[in-house]
Amino acid sequence: KNEVEQSPQNLTAQEGEFITINCSYSVGISALHWLQQHPGGGIVSLFMLSSGKKKHGRLIATINIQEKHSSLHITASHPRDSAVYICAVRGGNQFYFGTGTSLTVIP
Amino acid sequence: SAVISQKPSRDICQRGTSLTIQCQVDSQVTMMFWYRQQPGQSLTLIATANQGSEATYESGFVIDKFPISRPNLTFSTLTVSNMSPEDSSIYLCSVAGTDSYEQYFGPGTRLTVT
Repeated sequence: KNEVEQSPQNLTAQEGEFITINCSYSVGISALHWLQQHPGGGIVSLFMLSSGKKKHGRLIATINIQEKHSSLHITASHPRDSAVYICAVRGGNQFYFGTGTSLTVIP
Repeated sequence: SAVISQKPSRDICQRGTSLTIQCQVDSQVTMMFWYRQQPGQSLTLIATANQGSEATYESGFVIDKFPISRPNLTFSTLTVSNMSPEDSSIYLCSVAGTDSYEQYFGPGTRLTVT
């Protein structure tokens, strides 16, 4: 069983749609990260959360520590949002990664 | 934040050869990590590169196959030795932020072994 589970695995949306990606984890964590990986392979850290909610532009990330769950929301999605979104948690000295959600936004 | 560069960005290599990937950080960092991401898979930690001592390898990864150097606090190399097609992956260098909770990733090296 993976320590970090993401859903959905694949997601196709029309431009402008509101998108939600979910992440559940089973280990005790000190921080949760949302990462964005573009087709070339490079990874960008979008958010680091330990509680509550963070917003950056059209992106919103929330975390519920009691339920061990986090969501990444994209409002007014755009084709340039097409990427793989990875949830990662830090438990102790180790990072655990989800398998990623592949998002395609169609114009 | 930290800015990380990797060389090469991609390569196509023949079976049995070795490739050395370089990772350069724009600031001194204590902890540097090497990850592998096989096609369709999530990231897997290969090893933690320690400055001044041997790297710490995760289960399933050995020094003979993935030798790592860390000559100073801004640079590290990962060598993929005696490559086989199963080594075709994206290899990513990462560093931990000063508070050890943030993590920054390099752009990755896409390796294809034929």
